[in-house]
Amino acid sequence: ETGVTQTPRHLVMGMTNKKSLKCEQHLGHNAMYWYKQSAKKPLELMFVYSLEERVENNSVPSRFSPECPNSSHLFLHLHTLQPEDSALYLCASSRQEGTGANVLTFGAGSRLTVL
Amino acid sequence: GQNIDQPTEMTATEGAIVQINCTYQTSGFNGLFWYQQHAGEAPTFLSYNVLDGLEEKGRFSSFLSRSKGYSYLLLKELQMKDSASYLCAVRDSNYQLIWGAGTKLIIKP
Repeated sequence: ETGVTQTPRHLVMGMTNKKSLKCEQHLGHNAMYWYKQSAKKPLELMFVYSLEERVENNSVPSRFSPECPNSSHLFLHLHTLQPEDSALYLCASSRQEGTGANVLTFGAGSRLTVL
Repeated sequence: GQNIDQPTEMTATEGAIVQINCTYQTSGFNGLFWYQQHAGEAPTFLSYNVLDGLEEKGRFSSFLSRSKGYSYLLLKELQMKDSASYLCAVRDSNYQLIWGAGTKLIIKP
């Protein structure tokens, strides 16, 4: 039990579909993140919600839309995706406390395949 | 630009020692992290270095030299369960994490 739960673990969708990824953390953390992990590439930060403020990576296409209704839940809404969006999407959380380590706790990821 | 370099893949023998290197060029430095990720699982935190030197935690140790922009993760008494990817990440002056592409470690009997 990592304390960060992601659903679904696997998702196959067509380019015209709308789907959502869900993340839930039970660690009392105050920051949540979406990362994209592609084979043999560095983790790519997509979105951060920290202290109820959203910080975006401006290179993320608008077909990805995050939602953070409270400090424990995070969603990634997917709309008209492209095959190159196929990847593992990782959710993470952390307790942001000034200049401390702020270690990330990750979920097991949602493996997305876009046909 | 900012960059983290680590070998793509390494192979080692059960019971042996392996050193995974990580070099970085970043805008400032506020700590270096190592994570372990088994196939199909979540990355899990291994170590955090912010000062130069060696941090030991059981069979795993992590070393940092800020002047050289260099770190390594040392794994002793290798076990089959150590087969995984090892991710190096550096926090820059803006407290953003810059990630390496990971090193896949294969342990052979």
